[in-house]
Formats: sequence, C-alpha cells, structure tokens
Amino acid sequence: AQKITQTQPGMFVQEKEAVTLDCTYDTSDPSYGLFWYKQPSSGEMIFLIYQGSYDQQNATEGRYSLNFQKARKSANLVISASQLGDSAMYFCAMREDNTDKLIFGTGTRLQVFP
Amino acid sequence: NAGVTQTPKFQVLKTGQSMTLQCAQDMNHEYMSWYRQDPGMGLRLIHYSVGAGITDQGEVPNGYNVSRSTTEDFPLRLLSAAPSQTSVYFCASSAPGEGPNEQFFGPGTRLTVL
Repeated sequence: AQKITQTQPGMFVQEKEAVTLDCTYDTSDPSYGLFWYKQPSSGEMIFLIYQGSYDQQNATEGRYSLNFQKARKSANLVISASQLGDSAMYFCAMREDNTDKLIFGTGTRLQVFP
Repeated sequence: NAGVTQTPKFQVLKTGQSMTLQCAQDMNHEYMSWYRQDPGMGLRLIHYSVGAGITDQGEVPNGYNVSRSTTEDFPLRLLSAAPSQTSVYFCASSAPGEGPNEQFFGPGTRLTVL
C-alpha cells in the first residue's frame, strides 16, 4: 500500500534562509507522481510543485525545488530565500498513476521569523 | 472560471441529522474526490470518482455516501451525523492520467457535529 511520511511536525527558519522539508514515500507502482501543497492559515490548499517518477531532473518552480532521490524514496521540498509569507502547513502527496488517488502525509508546519 | 466551489462554508449539526455537502467544478475534470482534514492527520480520502456514474471508496468511507450524476457535481452525504465526523471537508478535482495533473481544491467546509 502506498504511504507518505513527513517526520517533521514543525520547522523554523529565518527570513531569507533556505529550508528543506522532508518527505519519504512507499509504493510498489513504478509509475507515480509526487506533489507538494501549501496550506496557509486561511485554509486553502495551494499546489506548489510536481515530480514524476520517470523525470530525470529535479523539479523547480521559482523558489521551490524538489530534491528527488528515487532509490531512497524521498522527495524533499527545498524553499530558497524564505519569506514571512511562506509560514504555512506543507503537505507532501503521492499519486499512483494507475489509480488517480492522491495520498497525503501528515504535514509540516513551517514558521518563518524575521 | 470559478474552479472548485463548495457549499456551505460552515455547518453545525446535531448527532443523527443528515446533510449534503455540495461540490461543483467548471473545469470539465473527470476526477473528483472528497477529503477530510483532522488535526495531526493530514488529508484523508473519503470517496472519489473517475467520471459520471463511477464512484469508489477511499481510506475513510464509513458514514458517507456519494454519487456522480454529472461531470460537474460531486455531493457528499452524511446520513446520520456523529461527533467523530467533526472535521474540515475538502472537495478536489483534476484531469486524469499521468503527468502534473494537480488536484484543484475547493475552499473547504468546516463541519461541527454536536
């Protein structure tokens, strides 16, 4: 069965510094996708970045990058140059491509301080 | 485009009452799903649908019913509300298949069962 693990309940980072949020996954399906979502205190779910299991390069979207290590089954989110507005919950999720179902981790609460 | 809309935004029920949470999307997405979010547990899949007339159970389906008569709408029914169903409910939709077909989320419904 597929599973997503986020072991950091909370993280602190100073403004303008980089931070890495950890995510490990487990699946027996060779074709899958990994997603990161941001949930600010207002509650909406905001899609950040996607990595396909067959993608050769790590995904990047602006200040977000995904450190994809397939052999270790990890998909860590790296946020560069943190901003106060990055304070939020961050969820890692996985979709097995033969099901379309999205399974979420328990999330990491990031707090950015001045 | 309105994206994914959910009504109501807030609801208080008494134990044993029934109600329907509404979800609609205008992106012609085939895949729709319902999640519940509880503190410390991330988002858990309740039911999902891969197209009109097709639904299936997710991780936590007990106490909930769904149907999908049109591509646009995917209502979630609570037949006899229980305090354990107090949660925030999110509806989401996406295009099916491989690739970065991220799920788009509605704003959520905060449900309290007394």
